[in-house]
Amino acid sequence: QPQLQESGPGLVKSSETLSLTCTVSGASGASISGSGYFWGWVRQPPGKGLESIGSVSYTGRADYSPSLKSRVSLSVDTSKNQFSLRLTSVTAADTAVYYCVRLVSLYSDFESRYFQYWGQGILVSVSS
Amino acid sequence: QSVLTQPPSVSGAPGQRVTISCTGSGSNIGAGYDVHWYQQLPGTAPKLLIFGNNNRPSGVPDRFSGSKSDTSASLAITGLQAEDEADYYCQSYDRSLRDYVFGIGTKVTVL
Repeated sequence: QPQLQESGPGLVKSSETLSLTCTVSGASGASISGSGYFWGWVRQPPGKGLESIGSVSYTGRADYSPSLKSRVSLSVDTSKNQFSLRLTSVTAADTAVYYCVRLVSLYSDFESRYFQYWGQGILVSVSS
Repeated sequence: QSVLTQPPSVSGAPGQRVTISCTGSGSNIGAGYDVHWYQQLPGTAPKLLIFGNNNRPSGVPDRFSGSKSDTSASLAITGLQAEDEADYYCQSYDRSLRDYVFGIGTKVTVL
């Protein structure tokens, strides 16, 4: 199974841009370029539930949660086996643990995707 | 507030059977979208527990099972063990929101 590891600053100032990178490693199924997989982000505010942010394929085609679409962009770097998240104009409401995830689709469609593997998560706090 | 409703907590004695409900609507579970379940042990990342309503990934004990009917789904844990103390989240797709949605999570306590 793949290992996913988030990296990036743990503290971001309000109104600035949050940037995180996920490095994928391991044996089988660990290549970002593998077909049938999607790479994404889920966040969890302290003491609260889970929220999907978006996902991206190895081609760079991305899908975003409508609630965050105006502020989010995802990208992939297949040469480094990494993918990244940028979230602009952050506020205190964006303080959360951010998990990078691998998604797979049951029926080769968007709607049946689920979050198969998760990174350990990184806490990002937004300060005023 | 989530479009998928879960009880905040359930509890049971070791060896007992507990169930966690996940109630949706006609725009998600009732629309035919599959339900997936995740287990989050204290201080750790969520882990896939059930996918496609009732399928267990390799390595997940068969004490865990899922089901789906109409606009709701359930996760059952039989032979409850101390190590099952965790938060459990259901997840599906909502066609009105055009997004993946999670339940608020259910904390399972082993008495």
